[in-house]
This record gives sequence, structure tokens and C-alpha cells, in this order.
Amino acid sequence: KQEVTQIPAALSVPEGENLVLNCSFTDSAIYNLQWFRQDPGKGLTSLLLIQSSQREQTSGRLNASLDKSSGRSTLYIAASQPGDSATYLCAAEDSSYKLIFGSGTRLLVRP
Amino acid sequence: DAEITQSPRHKITETGRQVTLACHQTWNHNNMFWYRQDLGHGLRLIHYSYGVQDTNKGEVSDGYSVSRSNTEDLPLTLESAASSQTSVYFCASSDALGGEGTEAFFGQGTRLTVV
Repeated sequence: KQEVTQIPAALSVPEGENLVLNCSFTDSAIYNLQWFRQDPGKGLTSLLLIQSSQREQTSGRLNASLDKSSGRSTLYIAASQPGDSATYLCAAEDSSYKLIFGSGTRLLVRP
Repeated sequence: DAEITQSPRHKITETGRQVTLACHQTWNHNNMFWYRQDLGHGLRLIHYSYGVQDTNKGEVSDGYSVSRSNTEDLPLTLESAASSQTSVYFCASSDALGGEGTEAFFGQGTRLTVV
């Protein structure tokens, strides 16, 4: 059974810092890995999708990498801003197109 | 723009009542999913569908049912609401491309309270 773990559970950083969020999964037979952002009381917003054949994806200040062999993905946020404060979720898609979620990292960027 | 919408956004119901939560997507995606999100449990899969007339049970399907009569809609029904079903419910859709899944999109959620 696929298990997805996110470390750290919470993170507080001053504005401007570069930071890395970690996601690990136990079964390397995934179709893709997707990162989401969730603001309090809101839905999930897709940030980046990395297909199993890809190693990384970039969007603006965000960069996500995928290493299937080691069961790891990282989300790199450059020059963090207070508006980046949210919960970040990673999800591994299995061969049935179902998403298995980690428990998330709560990020606070202090002005 | 294509989107996925849920209704209602908030609902309070009484124990034992039947409740239906709506989900409508205009992405023309074949795959649709219902998740619930609870503190301490994260997001858990309730039911999912790969297309019209197809439905499948997820991790926490007891007490829930879905039906898929067209591509756009996957309503979630709570047969007899229980307090344990108080939660935030999310609908999602995705597609299959070349054997791999495409980006999944989520609705804004329905906050259901069972009293």
C-alpha cells in the first residue's frame, strides 16, 4: 500500500528565504507526482505536476523534482513571500489514477 | 475556462437524513473522485469513477454512494447521515493520457456538518 510522507509538518521562515519541502513515497511505481497548495478554508490549487518520465518541473519561483528510484520529491520555493503562506500537499498518483496524499507542510512566511 | 464546481459550499443536516453533494466539471475528464478531508487523517478517497456508468469504492466508502450518468457530474450521496461524516468534501477530476494521469483539478469543497 502506497504511503506518502511530508517533512516537515510545519515551517516558519522569514521573508526572502529559499526553502525546500520534502515528500517521500513508499512505492516507486507511480504515474506522476503532483504538488498542491491549500489556503485555510479553501480548495486545493494545483502547483506542479511531474510525470513519471520527468525529473523536474518549474513554474515561476517554484521548482519540483522527482526521484522515483529513491521515492522522493522536493518542492523548492525561491525568495519566499508572505503570500506563499499556506499548506502544501504532495500526492502520488497510482496506476489507477488515484491520488494518495501526504499530510502536508504548513508554511508560514514572516514579513 | 474549464472548471470544477461543487454545491452547496456549506450544509448542515440532521442525523439520519439523506444528503447529496453535487460536483460538476467542464474539463471533459473521464476520471472523477470524491475525497474527504479531516484533521489528523488528511485527504481520503471515498468513491471514484472512470467514466459514464462506472463507479468504484475508495478507502472510506461505507455510508456513501455515487452515480455517473454523464461525463460532467458525479453526485455524492450520504444514505443516512452520521456525525462521523461531518467533514470537508472535495471533488476532483483528471484524465488519462498515454497511460499516465493528467493534472488533477479540485473543486472548492463542501463543508458538511451533521448534527
